[in-house]
Amino acid sequence: QQQVKQSPQSLIVQKGGISIINCAYENTAFDYFPWYQQFPGKGPALLIAIRPDVSEKKEGRFTISFNKSAKQFSLHIMDSQPGDSATYFCAASIQGGSEKLVFGKGTKLTVNP
Amino acid sequence: KAGVTQTPRYLIKTRGQQVTLSCSPISGHRSVSWYQQTPGQGLQFLFEYFSETQRNKGNFPGRFSGRQFSNSRSEMNVSTLELGDSALYLCASSLFSGSGKTQYFGPGTRLLVL
Repeated sequence: QQQVKQSPQSLIVQKGGISIINCAYENTAFDYFPWYQQFPGKGPALLIAIRPDVSEKKEGRFTISFNKSAKQFSLHIMDSQPGDSATYFCAASIQGGSEKLVFGKGTKLTVNP
Repeated sequence: KAGVTQTPRYLIKTRGQQVTLSCSPISGHRSVSWYQQTPGQGLQFLFEYFSETQRNKGNFPGRFSGRQFSNSRSEMNVSTLELGDSALYLCASSLFSGSGKTQYFGPGTRLLVL
């Protein structure tokens, strides 16, 4: 119930392509869904986040799509660049509870030039 | 504004020893959370402290403990180290607890247990 399942584990795209990472959750109490980006040797950094009252949120080249009924959400990176090569984590938490984030296992994205 | 700082950055210990890791949150942030990151298990929540009180605890044995000081700085301690404790330990800070505000992560402390 506390798990967040993320796929794929790794992803290789060409520069300019679209990267898509998917996540699914079981706990319907989750109401905050952030995506984090992590570069080697660094801590994760918040990329974009969504709450279940909206189905899509876009910030620049990054878009989260959210399907509440299917309990799934995904990250789309448009016009992928070599600088986007990093590990991406989806996460979920329950607001009003604590700051505890339940993370997916991560997707290592490689964007080839 | 300075980011989240963690010390030390790297640490090598042997089985059975204990270790203390330190985290200084962003100025003004009152919530500090700790996570363990390993290749096999990914990022797992250890505990959160807010205003010197433990607010939530993950599914880790009692060998893992923490505390928070009045200036919001936090320490975590692992006693009787095991090989499986080798990991990157990340600290994250946020303004409040449970508010949905951004959590900012530090660079982590990489612990190797031999």
